[in-house]
Amino acid sequence: DIVMTQSPDSLAVSLGERATINCKSSQSVLYTSNNKNFLAWYQQKSRQPPKLLIYWASTRESGVPDRFSGSGSGTDFTLTISSLQAEDVAVYYCQQYYSTPITFGQGTRLEIK
Amino acid sequence: EVQLVESGGGLVQPGGSLRLSCAASGFTFSGSWMSWVRQAPGKGLEWVANIKYDGSDKYYVDSVKGRFTISRDNAKDSLSLQMNSLRAEDTAIYYCARAQFGFDYWGQGTLVTVSS
Repeated sequence: DIVMTQSPDSLAVSLGERATINCKSSQSVLYTSNNKNFLAWYQQKSRQPPKLLIYWASTRESGVPDRFSGSGSGTDFTLTISSLQAEDVAVYYCQQYYSTPITFGQGTRLEIK
Repeated sequence: EVQLVESGGGLVQPGGSLRLSCAASGFTFSGSWMSWVRQAPGKGLEWVANIKYDGSDKYYVDSVKGRFTISRDNAKDSLSLQMNSLRAEDTAIYYCARAQFGFDYWGQGTLVTVSS
């Protein structure tokens, strides 16, 4: 099984500042035949289902604000929120869909400082 | 508008059974892989099972293999999860989701509580 490990577990950032969440997979999720990383990021607000933000490690889902960006390849990935807004308070998860079992990181709780 | 609406959750005793359903609309259900994902109270997300668009392939997390069965009815745009031999650790909100590049559509979830 591919283990996904996020850091930090929680993060407090001031409004307008940058927030960075890291995700490391226990093995590569890069599929070399198409050069795509099978890695997604989700945002889950209180009492709501998760929302897909990023797939293929760096492709923003339709309707997601451009302050959200994803980067990385192989085993190391980052979700960046360039200028934190109040509505970004949530738990963020990374997920690999390279192989079954599909696995998620443990989550990173993002709060306003 | 895309909608995924789960139903069938509730309180069940350990060892009991429950069948969850998910009604889909607003997208081509018969062309989509579908999944169940669960979230225990206050915990993170756990993928439970996947089913191919035509029902020919199914995959499960080890902890539910032999106990849970995922199925679909493309004529009714419906996804199901039959859960047998339920355990306390199966207590969670169960979400139905479309598996595209990641899970792009999610339902609101249905709560399953396994307790005596």
